[in-house]
Amino acid sequence: DTEVTQTPKHLVMGMTNKKSLKCEQHMGHRAMYWYKQKAKKPPELMFVYSYEKLSINESVPSRFSPECPNSSLLNLHLHALQPEDSALYLCASSQVRGGNTGELFFGEGSRLTVL
Amino acid sequence: AQSVTQLDSQVPVFEEAPVELRCNYSSSVSVYLFWYVQYPNQGLQLLLKYLSGSTLVKGINGFEAEFNKSQTSFHLRKPSVHISDTAEYFCAVRRRGWGKLQFGAGTQVVVTP
Repeated sequence: DTEVTQTPKHLVMGMTNKKSLKCEQHMGHRAMYWYKQKAKKPPELMFVYSYEKLSINESVPSRFSPECPNSSLLNLHLHALQPEDSALYLCASSQVRGGNTGELFFGEGSRLTVL
Repeated sequence: AQSVTQLDSQVPVFEEAPVELRCNYSSSVSVYLFWYVQYPNQGLQLLLKYLSGSTLVKGINGFEAEFNKSQTSFHLRKPSVHISDTAEYFCAVRRRGWGKLQFGAGTQVVVTP
């Protein structure tokens, strides 16, 4: 069983909707990540939070808005998405530098369909 | 910056046959190396990792990989595959200390009876 939990597993939304993806981990990790994965492609990094602060934004459009309310939770707020944003969204967590073995732990993903 | 090349996009293999998935990387600094597996409609699961020490790394589900520094390779092997090994396999590299996890393009393994 994965120790990174993502909800919902599936989400269908229209281009005018506002929705959120949620991610939770209880491994004590202080780095959390959002990845986007299209079919038959590797995951693409979107955002990285380190100690609850945004440390990396890979030039993601503003219709995606990340939030890290505390060290265990990570949200991705979605607004005015386009059909090409349909993808599997993966959350991951890891230790940060100093105790970092480099390994990311991934959730099962949220499959998003934008109509 | 680091980069990862997976030399095969798809590898068909018969059940109980051996399989090798090739991965080459480039980096100007020391890195950690990983193999992840993604089963259909699931997230990524770590198969094994190389951090330091012995160049032969054993992972879950009978997989192993060998780190070759001179050839900058980290090939994944399994001596006898099962139908359940059908999945996408990603090689990945990350700079020691802190850095982004860089994935290869992936190798689709299809195991048939």
